[in-house]
Amino acid sequence: GMPVEQNPPALSLYEGAESGLRCNFSTTMKGVQWFQQNHRGRLITLFYLAQGTKENGRLKSTFNSKERYSTLHIKDAQLEDSGTYFCAVEEGATASSFSKLVFGQGTSLSVVP
Amino acid sequence: NAGVIQTPRHKVTGKGQEATLWCEPISGHSAVFWYRQTIVQGLEFLTYFRNQAPIDDSGMPKERFSAQMPNQSHSTLKIQSTQPQDSAVYLCASSLDLPGTHSGNTLYFGEGSRLIVV
Repeated sequence: GMPVEQNPPALSLYEGAESGLRCNFSTTMKGVQWFQQNHRGRLITLFYLAQGTKENGRLKSTFNSKERYSTLHIKDAQLEDSGTYFCAVEEGATASSFSKLVFGQGTSLSVVP
Repeated sequence: NAGVIQTPRHKVTGKGQEATLWCEPISGHSAVFWYRQTIVQGLEFLTYFRNQAPIDDSGMPKERFSAQMPNQSHSTLKIQSTQPQDSAVYLCASSLDLPGTHSGNTLYFGEGSRLIVV
């Protein structure tokens, strides 16, 4: 199967609502990055994690390498949160070295009034 | 800081023609990456440079694709004898040095060049 699977493929939220996106990987990964692709097509880095949890405003991400998943939680959704969210994993086991990113297929998020 | 700049934003080319895409990384960034995005395959790594030197081109289709970085302010991706299956958005990204959790360097993307081969 795919090395990186994202769920759900698409999601619609009302303004002010919250939800979580999930990224599952088939093998142990040493890190994960989350990106938002905006309406102009630019990918914006949201988080990169080697372990644990990071929070930034209304966004929170967790990474569990042992259980092979990562999540991105959005609370108090705003219209500008609409876009496609990608997780990308860093393959390999050596934490101190660079690894190319393997992207998931993305979750298309629509925030509606 | 305008971020990573890619030109052209859109290009339509006839089958068999050559297409060249340009990327201007953020000033001072030493790592430059090229990705390709399609509906079917998603985001795929193509190649990257570090300090202008090509490091890994394992994602590049072999024969018709080439990438260069003649100076620190721009990189080009050239596709010879374009085919309809080359139609995609080609994304360039740069970072201060190699990005990721090991370094804490953030990867910055451009808005992409949409190539349509007819």
